[in-house]
Amino acid sequence: QKEVEQNSGPLSVPEGAIASLNCTYSDRGSQSFFWYRQYSGKSPELIMSIYSNGDKEDGRFTAQLNKASQYVSLLIRDSQPSDSATYLCAVGSYNFNKFYFGSGTKLNVKP
Amino acid sequence: GAVVSQHPSRVICKSGTSVKIECRSLDFQATTMFWYRQFPKQSLMLMATSNEGSKATYEQGVEKDKFLINHASLTLSTLTVTSAHPEDSSFYICSARVSSDSTQYFGPGTRLTVL
Repeated sequence: QKEVEQNSGPLSVPEGAIASLNCTYSDRGSQSFFWYRQYSGKSPELIMSIYSNGDKEDGRFTAQLNKASQYVSLLIRDSQPSDSATYLCAVGSYNFNKFYFGSGTKLNVKP
Repeated sequence: GAVVSQHPSRVICKSGTSVKIECRSLDFQATTMFWYRQFPKQSLMLMATSNEGSKATYEQGVEKDKFLINHASLTLSTLTVTSAHPEDSSFYICSARVSSDSTQYFGPGTRLTVL
């Protein structure tokens, strides 16, 4: 069973702070890693993908991957109330055929 | 780019009827499409993976005769929920990807309510 673990939260941060979201995975053969944001009642939207160890930055978002520790994280700088959502970590199988999703972390950004 | 549409966005039907949901990739050719189901306050559950021109691969516990999937072209996949029952009420979401990229792009979802 390939597992992706996330803390369900809720994670509460004040507006303007850094939100840190974490995800661990069990399959060492995983090749691709994604963060999606899902607002209540809506479908997931892609925030970032990361494939190599290290950091990847895109605007206020930074994804971090450590394959040795089987750990991927998402940092959101200058958090805004509009960032309040559930963040899903997705890990791609070695043959890219499907994703394994975590249960999601609910983020609340307080004005 | 990478836009995926779903139709209908919401459907209410009577128990025992069949419902068809369409998933289209609007600006790219999707070699693989995925169908997910999401119950309230739960994460996405993959139901099946479909490749254009091939039979869908269903996840364990998903009845292939109840959830019929057709992927007739590189831009269209359909999910038919046959003989729907109230327990089939859920949020059904499709996603699509191209062969050269593992990223999945999600449609807006279809909320099915079976009375």
